[in-house]
Amino acid sequence: SAVISQKPSRDICQRGTSLTIQCQVDSQVTMMFWYRQQPGQSLTLIATANQGSEATYESGFVIDKFPISRPNLTFSTLTVSNMSPEDSSIYLCSVALRGTGWREQYFGPGTRLTVT
Amino acid sequence: DAKTTQPPSMDCAEGRAANLPCNHSTISGNEYVYWYRQIHSQGPQYIIHGLKNNETNEMASLIITEDRKSSTLILPHATLRDTAVYYCIVGNQFYFGTGTSLTVIP
Repeated sequence: SAVISQKPSRDICQRGTSLTIQCQVDSQVTMMFWYRQQPGQSLTLIATANQGSEATYESGFVIDKFPISRPNLTFSTLTVSNMSPEDSSIYLCSVALRGTGWREQYFGPGTRLTVT
Repeated sequence: DAKTTQPPSMDCAEGRAANLPCNHSTISGNEYVYWYRQIHSQGPQYIIHGLKNNETNEMASLIITEDRKSSTLILPHATLRDTAVYYCIVGNQFYFGTGTSLTVIP
């Protein structure tokens, strides 16, 4: 398994500003993922962030709005840019482990973002 | 990726087995079935996955029908801490559906 931490755990931000969310893993992992969970909804995959390559974004998500960095095998950041109230969500990172054949995901606790 | 259908909610008495069904009639031969759960205000937690055979681990059992068109997640002795939303995912494990909200009742 993997232990994942996220910072901040929650934040309240003003519209038009940006927030960078950090994801730290206790072991080296190749595959990391960022999700959004809007209030009362299921999880939606934003992008896949593999170390050494550009992030791959899902339909409906763009790099200008959600830039992602993956500087090494234990760390990633997601920035929510030019925020609006519609960006109020929980943002989660996850990893998939090679030792499980990439078939088990482990999630961080999430970052609860409120945009006013 | 195959679509899944789960009941939106279920109740289970504490100490009894919780049987959570999932229909995936369009599953293809090489697609795995995954189960995750999300306890309130936490990140999702991996439970189990399987392809054809039934699987069991320390958390649960996964029963997949012979035609693979449906499966059941079994929590053998449900506790109050098992109250959560349970997601059945087929194929690409990164695409979550709406899940089943399980409430374990004292």
